[in-house]
Amino acid sequence: NAGVTQTPKFRILKIGQSMTLQCAQDMNHNYMYWYRQDPGMGLKLIYYSVGAGITDKGEVPNGYNVSRSTTEDFPLRLELAAPSQTSVYFCASSPPGLRYNEQFFGPGTRLTVL
Amino acid sequence: TQLLEQSPQFLSIQEGENLTVYCNSSSVFSSLQWYRQEPGEGPVLLVTVVTGGEVKKLKRLTFQFGDARKDSSLHITAAQPGDTGLYLCAGEGGSSNTGKLIFGQGTTLQVKP
Repeated sequence: NAGVTQTPKFRILKIGQSMTLQCAQDMNHNYMYWYRQDPGMGLKLIYYSVGAGITDKGEVPNGYNVSRSTTEDFPLRLELAAPSQTSVYFCASSPPGLRYNEQFFGPGTRLTVL
Repeated sequence: TQLLEQSPQFLSIQEGENLTVYCNSSSVFSSLQWYRQEPGEGPVLLVTVVTGGEVKKLKRLTFQFGDARKDSSLHITAAQPGDTGLYLCAGEGGSSNTGKLIFGQGTTLQVKP
């Protein structure tokens, strides 16, 4: 199993450009999450999904959109990139049914908006 | 809003020393997890504590969940350079089973040989 994979690893965007961060998992996990990690700020939840076709906002959703058409994929869309979106983005997944969910993280995408 | 405060934020010690990292909140959590993150990688789960007063050991690492389930600590005995990394606590609260976690801001540990 590859686990959770993310592409690209690095990206530089100009202000106002758009892009999609890809996330895929091959563990048949229903739950998936997108976080951003800023220096010294821990991880903040952007969006999450409890299954295909179901998504919901997290703590910091503004400027982002998600979709979940399959169990495996959970892409994060940035529209009109802004310098405040410079961050490291992590995708994670966890299996349902556990009372206390362990989250499995991808390697991250480092995004710089100039 | 549930918050988790970690202290200290940075810790630089010599190999062989002991250390404790704290994770505190005014909110009650149903469970608390500790993750370790190395540069350029995603966090990896170390342990989950679920019962107030619970103590779990993972080799030289000892994790404790407070009696009131509002705080937790991570103690490392005889730290080694391989322990270097970012340590994150994360709490799961609320009644809906979405697995949403609240993360602390992290503690960066550097163990010098």
